[in-house]
Amino acid sequence: KNEVEQSPQNLTAQEGEFITINCSYSVGISALHWLQQHPGGGIVSLFMLSSGKKKHGRLIATINIQEKHSSLHITASHPRDSAVYICAVIIGGNTPLVFGKGTRLSVIA
Amino acid sequence: GAVVSQHPSRVICKSGTSVKIECRSLDFQATTMFWYRQFPKQSLMLMATSNEGSKATYEQGVEKDKFLINHASLTLSTLTVTSAHPEDSSFYICSSTVVGYTFGSGTRLTVV
Repeated sequence: KNEVEQSPQNLTAQEGEFITINCSYSVGISALHWLQQHPGGGIVSLFMLSSGKKKHGRLIATINIQEKHSSLHITASHPRDSAVYICAVIIGGNTPLVFGKGTRLSVIA
Repeated sequence: GAVVSQHPSRVICKSGTSVKIECRSLDFQATTMFWYRQFPKQSLMLMATSNEGSKATYEQGVEKDKFLINHASLTLSTLTVTSAHPEDSSFYICSSTVVGYTFGSGTRLTVV
C-alpha cells in the first residue's frame, strides 16, 4: 500500500465545475504539498500546508492532520487547469517528498 | 524566488551511450539535491540524494554504478545515466529544499 493515496486517478470536468481532489496518507508528516505537473513534465508547487486551509486565486487546499487527509479544490474550473495534480508529503527535516500517483484532470470547454 | 535550472529538457540517445543531466541552482546554494524518476502514469520516485562534497546516497534498487551522481559544487548537481538501455527511458527531475521545494524543469530521456 502506498503511503500517499490520491483519488480520483482521473477526472474529467466541464468548464466552470467545482473540482475536488483528495489525498490520504498513512505516515506522520510535518507538511503536505500540492503540486501541478503540466504535460511537458514541469512541476509547480501550488501549496505547502501543515494545518488548516490555504487559498490562492481559484485554488483552495485544506488539511486535517488528525484524519491524515487533505483536499485540493478548484472553483470555476477552466481548460487551462488541465494537468496532473500531485499530493506529496514531507516526513521531516531536509527529506525528500513522498508522492502520490497524481490525479489527471481534464477540463473541457 | 529560488530557481533550479535543469538541462537538457529532452534527449534521445542510442542504447549503450551515456547521458548527463545537469541541475544548477541559479540564485542559491544547494548542499543537497534530490533526484527523482517518473515512469509513464506512475508517481515520482526518489532515486538518490546528492550531497555537496560527499558521496550520494541511493535508494534501494537503484544501481549506483549506472546512475552516477556528482555534486561537486554548491550550485551544480549532475546525474549521468551510463550505458543507457531502453528501460532507462523515463522522466528525470531534480529538486532542492533550500527555499521550500524547488524543482528543475525535468529531462525526458528516450533510449532507442
